[in-house]
Amino acid sequence: GNSVTQMEGPVTLSEEAFLTINCTYTATGYPSLFWYVQYPGEGLQLLLKATKADDKGSNKGFEATYRKETTSFHLEKGSVQVSDSAVYFCALSEGGNNRLAFGKGNQVVVIP
Amino acid sequence: NAGVTQTPKFQVLKTGQSMTLQCAQDMNHEYMSWYRQDPGMGLRLIHYSVGAGITDQGEVPNGYNVSRSTTEDFPLRLLSAAPSQTSVYFCASSSGQEAHEQYFGPGTRLTVT
Repeated sequence: GNSVTQMEGPVTLSEEAFLTINCTYTATGYPSLFWYVQYPGEGLQLLLKATKADDKGSNKGFEATYRKETTSFHLEKGSVQVSDSAVYFCALSEGGNNRLAFGKGNQVVVIP
Repeated sequence: NAGVTQTPKFQVLKTGQSMTLQCAQDMNHEYMSWYRQDPGMGLRLIHYSVGAGITDQGEVPNGYNVSRSTTEDFPLRLLSAAPSQTSVYFCASSSGQEAHEQYFGPGTRLTVT
């Protein structure tokens, strides 16, 4: 079945540092890929998405490129802010049933 | 638009009690889903619906029932609450377009003692 794997553990970094969160996936076909963000006490919000190989999704300074050859969709941001502190989830959707498979999420803490 | 709304925001139940978590959306979305979020587990799909009158099981359906009598509403029923159902529950909806982008409600935090 479809699955998403995110790197283990929380990520703590200083303001203006470079952020990378790894995401790899397993799918039988050609999924759409997403990054969702969850701020404290809130529901999930779509951060960015990519629907086919080599697409780059971008939003709020975050980017991720759909790499079919490595089955990856790593999230990057060049200079993080304290306001980027949140939990980030990688997800995929495949087929017509609208089901999302999520990774376990990564807590990101940005220190001033 | 209010988007996806969920009630209640917090709930405490005793083991064996039943209750219904409410979810409504005003975007005329066909697809609706229920997820639970547990520490270190990400989000897991409980049940989903592809339209009024049509529901199906997700990854962790045991102990939960759903129905979809209208496009707008998708309630989740706990039949006999157990401590293992302590979790945060999220409802989501999607038009089925835009590569299945889903819109999430604010969540219900449920504690079963």
